[in-house]
Amino acid sequence: SQTIHQWPATLVQPVGSPLSLECTVEGTSNPNLYWYRQAAGRGLQLLFYSVGIGQISSEVPQNLSASRPQDRQFILSSKKLLLSDSGFYLCAWMATGFTEAFFGQGTRLTVV
Amino acid sequence: AQSVTQLDSQVPVFEEAPVELRCNYSSSVSVYLFWYVQYPNQGLQLLLKYLSGSTLVKGINGFEAEFNKSQTSFHLRKPSVHISDTAEYFCAVRDPYSGAGSYQLTFGKGTKLSVIP
Repeated sequence: SQTIHQWPATLVQPVGSPLSLECTVEGTSNPNLYWYRQAAGRGLQLLFYSVGIGQISSEVPQNLSASRPQDRQFILSSKKLLLSDSGFYLCAWMATGFTEAFFGQGTRLTVV
Repeated sequence: AQSVTQLDSQVPVFEEAPVELRCNYSSSVSVYLFWYVQYPNQGLQLLLKYLSGSTLVKGINGFEAEFNKSQTSFHLRKPSVHISDTAEYFCAVRDPYSGAGSYQLTFGKGTKLSVIP
C-alpha cells in the first residue's frame, strides 16, 4: 500500500535561518507531488507541485523553493525564513488517475 | 481559475443533532468534488468524493454529500453527529480536464465543526 512520510512534525526556527522540510512517498512510482501551506482561517494554499524528477512549478511567488531530487522525494526549502513563513505545511501526492490526493501528517513551522 | 466557497467558517452543533456544511464551487464545467476532514495538527483525510454518476455520495463516518450541478453545490451532511466529529472540514474541487499535468485540488477555507455535548 502507498504511504507518505513527512518530517519533522514540528519545527521552531529563528528569522533568517534556513529551512528544509522533506516528504517521501512509498508504494507508487512517478506520483504528482504537492506542497501546501495552511494558515489560520485561510484554508490550504498550493505552493509548489511536481510532475516528475527535477520538474517544479511554483504557484505563489515567495522566498520558498522546492526540489524533487528523486522520484518519490519532495523537499521544501528556504535560505532565510521570514515571520510570515509560519504555518502548517502539508505534502500530498495524487494517485494514478488523479482522482484522490493523499496527505502527509504535516509540519508545524513557527518562525520566531 | 476554480474557486471554492465554504459559507460557514464555524458551525457549532449539539451531539446527536444533524449537521450540514455548505460548499459552492465556481466552475460551470464538469468537476471532481471532494470533502476532507482534518483533526488538530494532523493531515487531511478523505471523507468522500464525487467523480461522476449518482449525485448522492456516501463516505466514511456516516457522512454523505449531494452534488447539485445547477446550483454548483456539494453540501456535506450527517444525520447525527458525535463528539468525535469535532474537526475542520475542507471542500475541494479538481477540474478533470486541467492541463499541464498538475491535476491540482483547489480548496475552500474550511469549516470548523464543534460538537457540543
